[in-house]
Amino acid sequence: AQKITQTQPGMFVQEKEAVTLDCTYDTSDQSYGLFWYKQPSSGEMIFLIYQGSYDEQNATEGRYSLNFQKARKSANLVISASQLGDSAMYFCAMILYQRGGNKLVFGAGTILRVKS
Amino acid sequence: DADVTQTPRNRITKTGKRIMLECSQTKGHDRMYWYRQDPGLGLRLIYYSFDVKDINKGEISDGYSVSRQAQAKFSLSLESAIPNQTALYFCAVANPGGKANTGELFFGEGSRLTVL
Repeated sequence: AQKITQTQPGMFVQEKEAVTLDCTYDTSDQSYGLFWYKQPSSGEMIFLIYQGSYDEQNATEGRYSLNFQKARKSANLVISASQLGDSAMYFCAMILYQRGGNKLVFGAGTILRVKS
Repeated sequence: DADVTQTPRNRITKTGKRIMLECSQTKGHDRMYWYRQDPGLGLRLIYYSFDVKDINKGEISDGYSVSRQAQAKFSLSLESAIPNQTALYFCAVANPGGKANTGELFFGEGSRLTVL
C-alpha cells in the first residue's frame, strides 16, 4: 500500500537552529516523487521542495533541503537557521507516476513551532 | 491574482443544506482535485478530474459530488451537509508530470466549511 508516515505530530526548535522533520514512505513503484508543503496558520499550502526518485542529488531550495535516503524510504526535510516565520504545519507528500494518472498521497503533517 | 481561486473562503451552514464550493484556475492545467483537511489526518482526496469529460472518485467521495464545467472550473457539492463534513477544503491543479514537470499540486487558498 502506498503510504506516507510523519511520526512527529509536533516539534519545537530554537530560532536560528536547524531542524529535521521526518517523513517515511511506502511504495513498490520505481517512479515517484516526494514533495514538502508548508501550511502557515493562514491556511494556504505552499510548495517548498521536490525530490524525484531517480534524482541522485538531494534537493535544496534556499534554507530547505531534502535528505533523501532511497534504501530507507525516507525523505526528511531539513530547515537550516530556523526563523519565527517557519512556524507552521508541514506536509510530506508522495506522487506516483502511473499510467492512467498520477496518484498523490499525503502524510498527516508535523506542526513546527520556532521559539525566540 | 491567485492562480487557483476558491469561493467561498468561509461558510457556515446547517445540517441538510446543499452547499457548493467553486474552484477556478488560470494555470491552464488539465488536472484538478478536491481535498479535505482534518486535524491529524492530513489531506484526503475527494474527487479528481483529468479533463472536462473525466471525473474520478477519490478515497472519501461519499456525500460529495463534483462538476467540471470547463477546463478551468471544478466545483464540489455537498447535497445534504452533515456536521462531520466540517473541514477545510482545498482545490488543487497539477501538470501531468514528466521529464519537464513534477506533477506538483498548486493549491487554492482553501474553503473553511462549518456544518452546524
